[in-house]
Amino acid sequence: DVKVTQSSRYLVKRTGEKVFLECVQDMDHENMFWYRQDPGLGLRLIYFSYDVKMKEKGDIPEGYSVSREKKERFSLILESTSTNQTSMYLCASSLGDTYQPQHFGDGTRLSIL
Amino acid sequence: GENVEQHPSTLSVQEGDSAVIKCTYSDSASNYFPWYKQELGKRPQLIIDIRSNVGEKKDQRIAVTLNKTAKHFSLHITETQPEDSAVYFCAASYSGGGADGLTFGKGTHLIIQP
Repeated sequence: DVKVTQSSRYLVKRTGEKVFLECVQDMDHENMFWYRQDPGLGLRLIYFSYDVKMKEKGDIPEGYSVSREKKERFSLILESTSTNQTSMYLCASSLGDTYQPQHFGDGTRLSIL
Repeated sequence: GENVEQHPSTLSVQEGDSAVIKCTYSDSASNYFPWYKQELGKRPQLIIDIRSNVGEKKDQRIAVTLNKTAKHFSLHITETQPEDSAVYFCAASYSGGGADGLTFGKGTHLIIQP
């Protein structure tokens, strides 16, 4: 079974802090994704990566950056947090072929005070 | 970019009845349409998906239909059970969900009344 592991389940930070959210998958998937989930808005794509060191902006990349130094790990970086970044962050991965399902982690609930 | 509209936002049905959730998409190039189920406090899980070259797909009590002309796809759940209670998300992608991510609808909260 595919395992996508996010480093923290809950995180509380203060405005202006730098935050790293880590995601690791164990199925040798080529593609990895970061989404944020907000009530009434569904899931929105922040960034994705289809290969090591490659990254592409999603629909809402402002205020975020990413890093993919190894195939199994994809990090989301919030350089200087603001209260509007309080959200549930979900990582996903998939094989590189077309029509492959995305498998999600349990999410990190980030609160910015 | 792609835009996915999902309706209704909340759906309450009696146990044993059928439930239908509808989505429309804007980009005619989209070719992959998965549906995810998310139970409270848990991760979204894929329950069924359909490709643009297929009009209908069924898996036990769950079916998905796709109308490419109308840019419309629907999830059908028959003989609903209490464990079907969850939030359901439709999504669309124009590269088969591979290297471009998914565009999700805003979700439907399905409530199964005993």
